Amino acid sequence: AQSVAQPEDQVNVAEGNPLTVKCTYSVSGNPYLFWYVQYPNRGLQFLLKYITGDNLVKGSYGFEAEFNKSQTSFHLKKPSALVSDSALYFCAVRDSTNAGKSTFGDGTTLTVKP
Amino acid sequence: ETGVTQTPRHLVMGMTNKKSLKCEQHLGHNAMYWYKQSAKKPLELMFVYSLEERVENNSVPSRFSPECPNSSHLFLHLHTLQPEDSALYLCASSQEYSPYNEQFFGPGTRLTVL
Repeated sequence: AQSVAQPEDQVNVAEGNPLTVKCTYSVSGNPYLFWYVQYPNRGLQFLLKYITGDNLVKGSYGFEAEFNKSQTSFHLKKPSALVSDSALYFCAVRDSTNAGKSTFGDGTTLTVKP
Repeated sequence: ETGVTQTPRHLVMGMTNKKSLKCEQHLGHNAMYWYKQSAKKPLELMFVYSLEERVENNSVPSRFSPECPNSSHLFLHLHTLQPEDSALYLCASSQEYSPYNEQFFGPGTRLTVL
């Protein structure tokens, strides 16, 4: 079985400050991890993924995420937040034993204030 | 047009109506997905098609009927819906139905069942 948890419903940061959106996962096999962003009245948009290799992955719009196998985490980070980063963020996991079926977290609403 | 498109963007229907949602992807992908996104709930995978064959059916009520006539088009036929079926219905596609591929989402159809 596979599952993913985003422990924070809401994250608030000031513009220019670093941001972190947390994600933890559970899988039977090897994890494949994804972050997506959803702006109001839009579909989800892919940001980045971890498949294998370097634990630090870089993605779109200056976002990055660090895969931590011992803590089963894949937190999304950005060194300096922008007001335009305000959106709903989803972490998703796939298990190497489960083909292409994704499990999504409940989502975290990020608000960046000027 | 590019990416994944969905029509209509908004739909209001009565419980006795029959309607269809349409999804089209212009990315040359082989896998297509239907998701349901409700307020306060995570994304729920409904159906997956790979190379025009249904590979996932997540215990979805029979009042939802998918159709994939070719690898570029996906439909969701609706009949005798309930008010609790009101939600945002998202279509997505990926290169293959595999653990490695990110998904590309359409903007969604906002469905309201009266």
